[in-house]
Formats: sequence, structure tokens, C-alpha cells
Amino acid sequence: GENVEQHPSTLSVQEGDSAVIKCTYSDSASNYFPWYKQELGKRPQLIIDIRSNVGEKKDQRIAVTLNKTAKHFSLHITETQPEDSAVYFCAASGYSTLTFGKGTMLLVSP
Amino acid sequence: TAGITQAPTSQILAAGRSMTLRCTQDMRHNAMYWYRQDLGLGLRLIHYSNTAGTTGKGEVPDGYSVSRANTDDFPLTLASAVPSQTSVYFCASSETGPYGYTFGSGTRLTVV
Repeated sequence: GENVEQHPSTLSVQEGDSAVIKCTYSDSASNYFPWYKQELGKRPQLIIDIRSNVGEKKDQRIAVTLNKTAKHFSLHITETQPEDSAVYFCAASGYSTLTFGKGTMLLVSP
Repeated sequence: TAGITQAPTSQILAAGRSMTLRCTQDMRHNAMYWYRQDLGLGLRLIHYSNTAGTTGKGEVPDGYSVSRANTDDFPLTLASAVPSQTSVYFCASSETGPYGYTFGSGTRLTVV
């Protein structure tokens, strides 16, 4: 089955800095790569996703890049704000279910 | 408001007892999923259902069972709870396949 590795496990940045979270996956058949944000005590929510026929996707301050050859994808957050503080999960799927990474706790200090 | 509802919000359960976690969605989504979330381990798939009447095993199915008698409901049953099943359980649904999961608010279960 699919295996998703996510790094780093924690990331601390100053407000206004950029943050990058990286994931690798094992199954070359995977073709869908979403990112979820989970605030403390809340449910995970989809923030951006990318499919394997696209190399990069951007939505305001967040962007995701995908390298299918290397089997890795990354989340980029620019101009971070305190409200970006949360746990971020990457995931991968080639079939009907998502396999998640273990998560990255992002802390943005004012 | 359309969405996905889980019950109960939290529960303390004695080891050896059985329990059913409820999940209901009103979005007419075909696919539904159960994940457990443990600190440092992320979200791990327990069972899933691609459509009413079908179910499948995920990464950590042992000790759990599910049924999908209709489109809206996807209950998760623990037949005989053990302390290692202490976790936060999230139900999710999607219109089809893995695209755009909507998660429920979770059930925090403590087995003592």
C-alpha cells in the first residue's frame, strides 16, 4: 500500500516568513495529493490539492508543487500569519482512499 | 446546514464493553471513511465504503467493524474495546473517491 512521509514534524517561523512542508510518497500510481489544515480541537479541512497532471497550483498565499519523478510534493505558505498556526497533513491517493502523512505542527509567532 | 455529524462527541468506555460510533451525512455522498487520529501517528484509515452496500478494510481494521446499509449512515462498532483503541475517531465523506473529503467533528474515545 501507499506510504507517505512528512517533514518536518514541527516548524516554527516568525510572522511574515515563509513556511515549507515536504512529503514523499511510495506508490507511483498515486495521482491526487491534497493538503489538510487542522486547528487545535477542530476537524481537518482541505486547503489545497493537486493532481498528477499539474506541477504547481497556487491559491493566494499557499501553493503546492509536485515532482512525480521524485515522488515528492510540498506545501508553501508565504507571508505567514498567526492564524496559520495549526497542524498540516499531506495525503496521497491513487484509488479510492487517502493515505495521510503524520502531520506538521506549524507555529507562527507574532 | 448540510454536513456530516458524529455522535457522541466524547465517551469513556470500560475495557471489554462494546460501542457504536455514529456517523451521518446529508450531502448524498457516495463514499464514507473512518480514520483514527493518534498523536504522532497522523490519520490512519480503519474502514471505508465506496458506496452503499459495500465496505473495505483500511490500514488498521482489527477490532472494528462497519456497515453501510444506506447512503447516509456509516456506523463504526467496537465489539470488545481495549485501551489501545483510545483515540480520536473521525468520519469523513466524499462525493466519490478520495477527492475533497469532508470530515465530521470527531469522537474522542477513552477506553479504561
